[in-house]
Amino acid sequence: KAGVTQTPRYLIKTRGQQVTLSCSPISGHRSVSWYQQTPGQGLQFLFEYFSETQRNKGNFPGRFSGRQFSNSRSEMNVSTLELGDSALYLCASSLAGTGGGYTFGSGTRLTVV
Amino acid sequence: AQRVTQPEKLLSVFKGAPVELKCNYSYSGSPELFWYVQYSRQRLQLLLRHISRESIKGFTADLNKGETSFHLKKPFAQEEDSAMYYCALRSGAGSYQLTFGKGTKLSVIP
Repeated sequence: KAGVTQTPRYLIKTRGQQVTLSCSPISGHRSVSWYQQTPGQGLQFLFEYFSETQRNKGNFPGRFSGRQFSNSRSEMNVSTLELGDSALYLCASSLAGTGGGYTFGSGTRLTVV
Repeated sequence: AQRVTQPEKLLSVFKGAPVELKCNYSYSGSPELFWYVQYSRQRLQLLLRHISRESIKGFTADLNKGETSFHLKKPFAQEEDSAMYYCALRSGAGSYQLTFGKGTKLSVIP
């Protein structure tokens, strides 16, 4: 079966702009999580959605938001981009979000200039 | 707040030598611990979880609550084990997030 699909793979944006990233989970998986990966901070949890509801949110400013659709696909949005938002954004899916056995996508590499 | 510490950024061992990747955590409750691995140019993937008490690709990890550790071990390293290894913690029921360590890059020298 198809894995977790993230689009786009690469993105270059200018400071102040906003960006939307997309994630399609494995078929049947209803939990989608987002992580930010940077060389300095490593992997940091952004938020998790299950059945269109956000259940957990990490310690990120309100500029970072997300949503999940009825087909479990998820999007995350970052508004008013800052240089420090440059990172690899990873999406992970699982059946129900429990157990920790998440399947990760390849990520979206965001560069803010 | 929970924290996961992987003290070694880089670990180099010779092929056939034993490997131990260290992971320490801080959490007051009963966590679930995991090891994830990322091979070159591949996605991050689950290697093993402590509740399964399984051995994957020859790797094992035992949760030591007294020492708050979850070290990853393999008796004989193979070249294909070279990868980035991340230890992760989930704080149990009601939590849907993983807290990751910063990772250890394992390099197996032929």
